[in-house]
Amino acid sequence: QPQLQESGPGLVKPSETLSLTCTVSGDSINQSPYYWGWIRQPPGKGLEWIGTVFYSGTTYYNPSLKSRLTISVDTSKNQFSLKLNSVTAADTAVYYCARHSGYPPYCGDDCYFYWYFDLWGRGTLVTASS
Amino acid sequence: EIVLTQSPATLSLSSGERATLSCRASQSVSGIYLAWYQQKPGQAPRLLIYDASSRATGVPDRFSGSGSGTDFTLTISRLEPEDFAVYYCQQYGGSPQLTFGGGTKVEIK
Repeated sequence: QPQLQESGPGLVKPSETLSLTCTVSGDSINQSPYYWGWIRQPPGKGLEWIGTVFYSGTTYYNPSLKSRLTISVDTSKNQFSLKLNSVTAADTAVYYCARHSGYPPYCGDDCYFYWYFDLWGRGTLVTASS
Repeated sequence: EIVLTQSPATLSLSSGERATLSCRASQSVSGIYLAWYQQKPGQAPRLLIYDASSRATGVPDRFSGSGSGTDFTLTISRLEPEDFAVYYCQQYGGSPQLTFGGGTKVEIK
């Protein structure tokens, strides 16, 4: 069974950049038909999809976060990463990396997504505070 | 953005009882592209149901999903002690944004 593990700082100062990495074991990102990405959950609240990457480097972002977000993949390390800049207290959350299953996206003028999340990391709490 | 509304917010039941959880979409979800997740305190969500009614690998058959369009249901036929948790629905019906419902907490009565 593949596993995902998040890593990165647990504390980020407001206005700075949140950076996390997800390491995939038991599966090879660049030989897999899956997409990979990030979901977050503020303390005591619900889930929010952040964004997604394919092994080719193609990325798909939540429109509400797109202006601050970069997701990338490093197939040599079997990892993908998240960078969210200009963080505020509202970005405090448990950040999960997750494997996506479903169907390929359709992109015309906009992209439309057909993924659910079948494998999750354990999550890592990131607090935005000075 | 497709908004998913889950009801009730909290469901208080006893072991052995039947649980029926609702997920309603603000507009029709293309096809049957709805998933259900279970989350226990301090844990990541776990996929239970995808494509509205298909059980994920290893999910007991007391969990079943149904529905299409704007109305979806997760049913737990007989609650086991390990089923008390929060349940989330998620739509992936070809929208520019994947969204989750606010969750239903199934608690011990």
